[in-house]
Amino acid sequence: GAVVSQHPSRVICKSGTSVKIECRSLDFQATTMFWYRQFPKQSLMLMATSNEGSKATYEQGVEKDKFLINHASLTLSTLTVTSAHPEDSSFYICSARDSASSGNTIYFGEGSWLTVV
Amino acid sequence: AQSVTQLDSQVPVFEEAPVELRCNYSSSVSVYLFWYVQYPNQGLQLLLKYLSGSTLVKGINGFEAEFNKSQTSFHLRKPSVHISDTAEYFCAVSGTGRRALTFGSGTRLQVQP
Repeated sequence: GAVVSQHPSRVICKSGTSVKIECRSLDFQATTMFWYRQFPKQSLMLMATSNEGSKATYEQGVEKDKFLINHASLTLSTLTVTSAHPEDSSFYICSARDSASSGNTIYFGEGSWLTVV
Repeated sequence: AQSVTQLDSQVPVFEEAPVELRCNYSSSVSVYLFWYVQYPNQGLQLLLKYLSGSTLVKGINGFEAEFNKSQTSFHLRKPSVHISDTAEYFCAVSGTGRRALTFGSGTRLQVQP
């Protein structure tokens, strides 16, 4: 079946550096992908909607200059956390919409654990 | 805009007992409804979804949910749980147009032997 792959699954970076997380749809094309973050023992909060070939749409309160999203192809969206700080440590999950499937199925990646030290 | 309320943060239950995890939503537009399961340190797995049609939806692992429009609810049920069902369960809603999901706060299902 359709799979969404995230990489890396875990990353540790130093405070002040930038880290990139990739989200790939493996056997379908996704014009729209979504990025969520989840703090420990909390729910998932939508950060932004990634649109292929255009600028991402950010949710209120999410800094677009800090969380750079690029959706350069129909199978890849990237989230770059710039100048990371310890408070950015979180679980980041992407999802992709298979618009070709009946019901516009949404698939989630396995998530990426970011730890900023 | 939509919102989701999961009233129970934790539900302890004995193995082979039935369980119901509650979910209520609010929305000014038509919605799609979902239940996801998250095992420790993992991503989300879709259990089931309601898009249209029959209000009783059957999913994986023996779970089912019933969409009740008048009560704006989408409760998840399983007639007999297993230890392996211990996980965090999230109810989610999306508009039929924009497909970003709004998640509830989650319910921790703890199945005890």
